[in-house]
Amino acid sequence: SQKIEQNSEALNIQEGKTATLTCNYTNYSPAYLQWYRQDPGRGPVFLLLIRENEKEKRKERLKVTFDTTLKQSLFHITASQPADSATYLCALAWDDYKLSFGAGTTVTVRA
Amino acid sequence: DADVTQTPRNRITKTGKRIMLECSQTKGHDRMYWYRQDPGLGLRLIYYSFDVKDINKGEISDGYSVSRQAQAKFSLSLESAIPNQTALYFCATSDKAQRGTNEQFFGPGTRLTVL
Repeated sequence: SQKIEQNSEALNIQEGKTATLTCNYTNYSPAYLQWYRQDPGRGPVFLLLIRENEKEKRKERLKVTFDTTLKQSLFHITASQPADSATYLCALAWDDYKLSFGAGTTVTVRA
Repeated sequence: DADVTQTPRNRITKTGKRIMLECSQTKGHDRMYWYRQDPGLGLRLIYYSFDVKDINKGEISDGYSVSRQAQAKFSLSLESAIPNQTALYFCATSDKAQRGTNEQFFGPGTRLTVL
């Protein structure tokens, strides 16, 4: 069965630095991969999607890469701000209606 | 996101009790999902529904049942709650018209504790 692993440790970074989160998976590659943000006490919120034939996607200060050879996606938050502090989830899709989620990485940005 | 609401937000119950969690959405989406979230395990899919007459089991459906009363309403029931069903439960929706993206919209969650 598929296994999805995100950074096992929480990430603490200084404001202004770049946070880099990893999402690794086993076996065959998904059709696309999504990243969500989750704040304490709230449901996840969709941020970005990248397809298996795309190398990189950007949205404002966010950048996602997808390497099907390494079976890995990287999620970057550039020029990080305290407001970026949250848990970030990767979600993989092998069909059009179900997602498989990683456990998430908690990011804390220090002012 | 007020477009997807869940009730109750918090619930404490005892082993063996029947409990229902409710989800309503105003987004007009046809697909609805129930997940549970446990620390270190991430979100796991319990049931999903493509429309009122199409309901499917997810990866952890044992001990749960669902009802899709209308396009906008999807309820999750625990027939006889047990302590290892203590978790955070999320309802989500997606629009089948958005094929190839499956962007999901989540409710605020229900924190369930089974004593």
